[in-house]
Amino acid sequence: EAQVTQNPRYLITVTGKKLTVTCSQNMNHEYMSWYRQDPGLGLRQIYYSMNVEVTDKGDVPEGYKVSRKEKRNFPLILESPSPNQTSLYFCASSLSVRSEKLFFGSGTQLSVL
Amino acid sequence: KQEVTQIPAALSVPEGENLVLNCSFTDSAIYNLQWFRQDPGKGLTSLLLIQSSQREQTSGRLNASLDKSSGRSTLYIAASQPGDSATYLCAVGNNAGNMLTFGGGTRLMVKP
Repeated sequence: EAQVTQNPRYLITVTGKKLTVTCSQNMNHEYMSWYRQDPGLGLRQIYYSMNVEVTDKGDVPEGYKVSRKEKRNFPLILESPSPNQTSLYFCASSLSVRSEKLFFGSGTQLSVL
Repeated sequence: KQEVTQIPAALSVPEGENLVLNCSFTDSAIYNLQWFRQDPGKGLTSLLLIQSSQREQTSGRLNASLDKSSGRSTLYIAASQPGDSATYLCAVGNNAGNMLTFGGGTRLMVKP
């Protein structure tokens, strides 16, 4: 089944404790992206990747890191999480964001205490 | 900077009604526009993708139109059903082909 898989679904952590949210897609998509969704602010892009080893900042990259060492995986790293990073996070992928639909993972609800 | 607005923020209709959801964007230099559906606690599902050169796309009871020059798109849902209850979001893709900007969504409830 074609899908974007995020893990974990729920995560509670404390300020400053490094964490990684994993994202994997099995559709051989070149484009992958991370978003955060907050009430009243909608979905905002954090980072995106056009292909392996090619990543770039979105609208709200501060406090986040990403890597794209292989095509299927695009992990989101929070080196020192803070409470303002409490949010619902989504990973998405597309064969080509210019002409193809975007597929989303089920989301990761992160709470930073 | 691109801004995307969806009106209304919430909508409640009786089953069977035809309805229109609106999406407007400030910068007409877009590459495409997508309409998504989001169910509570779940990810987004892409419903329709319209390229900037197209005027509309149809899938079943859904029809999306795009007027790039006026910065508007509409999603038309025919004969609404309770199963259509969800939040609908539109997103515009920039010309560089690397980013999507999302609207805030319209929360739709279809009552039996």
